[in-house]
Amino acid sequence: DTAVSQTPKYLVTQMGNDKSIKCEQNLGHDTMYWYKQDSKKFLKIMFSYNNKELIINETVPNRFSPKSPDKAHLNLHINSLELGDSAVYFCASSQIDRNTEAFFGQGTRLTVV
Amino acid sequence: AQSVTQPDIHITVSEGASLELRCNYSYGATPYLFWYVQSPGQGLQLLLKYFSGDTLVQGIKGFEAEFKRSQSSFNLRKPSVHWSDAAEYFCAVGARSGGYNKLIFGAGTRLAVHP
Repeated sequence: DTAVSQTPKYLVTQMGNDKSIKCEQNLGHDTMYWYKQDSKKFLKIMFSYNNKELIINETVPNRFSPKSPDKAHLNLHINSLELGDSAVYFCASSQIDRNTEAFFGQGTRLTVV
Repeated sequence: AQSVTQPDIHITVSEGASLELRCNYSYGATPYLFWYVQSPGQGLQLLLKYFSGDTLVQGIKGFEAEFKRSQSSFNLRKPSVHWSDAAEYFCAVGARSGGYNKLIFGAGTRLAVHP
């Protein structure tokens, strides 16, 4: 069983479109994250949810809207896609206790053309 | 500010040679440190972690890392590299943001292995 799964794995879309990426974890964790990996492989946190509540929002444009229907799911909706949104988006999960590492999904490679 | 520096962007070693990947961190409190590996087209897999205790930690795939507080370093080592170790390696520090956890990553080190 995949611990953290994301769909889709690849997403190619035109500028101006709206798209969503879905994430599910079956680890029983209470905290989920979205990280963005740019073309230079740099990883940066975007959002974090704990028990469906937004706890970290790292100055991400309003076009990005995360939604957590329950603590096992965290989706990312992106409006009015721009070329600069092209990146790999990783979902991750962990327990809120600091002594645990984050488990990552396989990533979603988003290409905006 | 919290940060992680990986000074080497790209390293090439021969198969069977030893490996050391450098990582320096900046964090005010006792750091929680991690090394992740990313194979091409894959997600991030945890190699090892340091929370407290013994400063030499063992991980998967024969990797180890040593925490040196005086040098603010957490270097990753492997005595004999295999071709399958070619990947991107990320050092990260667990940081608190508004009372909650997040990982701050270094820029990564790409490892190439020559046969």
